[in-house]
Amino acid sequence: DIQMTQSPSSLSASVGDRVTITCRASQGISNSLAWYQQKPGKAPKLLLYAASRLESGVPSRFSGSGSGTDYTLTISSLQPEDFATYYCQQYYSTPPTFGQGTKVEIK
Amino acid sequence: QVQLVESGGGVVQPGGSLRLSCAASGFTFSSYGMHWVRQAPGKGLEWVAFIRYDGSNKYYADSVKGRFTISRDNSKNTLYLQMNSLRAEDTAVYYCAKDPIPYSSGWFFGYWGQGTLVTVSS
Repeated sequence: DIQMTQSPSSLSASVGDRVTITCRASQGISNSLAWYQQKPGKAPKLLLYAASRLESGVPSRFSGSGSGTDYTLTISSLQPEDFATYYCQQYYSTPPTFGQGTKVEIK
Repeated sequence: QVQLVESGGGVVQPGGSLRLSCAASGFTFSSYGMHWVRQAPGKGLEWVAFIRYDGSNKYYADSVKGRFTISRDNSKNTLYLQMNSLRAEDTAVYYCAKDPIPYSSGWFFGYWGQGTLVTVSS
């Protein structure tokens, strides 16, 4: 199975900050990467897929980049509604696997 | 719009069985593969199972293989997960999720239900 490692596990940030979350795969995944946002007590929500393609309806302050084994999710200007836990997920090979999550908290 | 509504969760003793359902609406259910994904309390996400749009192929995580069975009834727009020989480590919120690619399998999760909690405890 491909292991996905996110960093950091948590971070504190202020509204308006630029936030970057990193996801590293244990082997190359050819941009087969999705990012999800999950708020407490709610289901995850798809933000991006194919590493950098924004899901319909997702604000443009979210962006993704990367290649090979290393990928990033960037929130250009953190908004109050962005405080949540973020997960990366590879779908290059089965089983699909998730990172352990990054919790974004209010500073 | 797409709606996925899970049901069937509850408390069950170790070794017991439970069947989860996921009622789908707002899209052509018979055209899309469907997944189950679970999340243990306070933990991360774990993919559980996938069934192709026509039910022709099924895939399972090693942790549930031989104990769980995914199925679907396209005439009822409903996805199922039959869970047997349940263990404490199966305790989790179980989500059904729609694959984004019709007549194929994208292996990521475009829409999620609200989840149903399964607790395995004596």
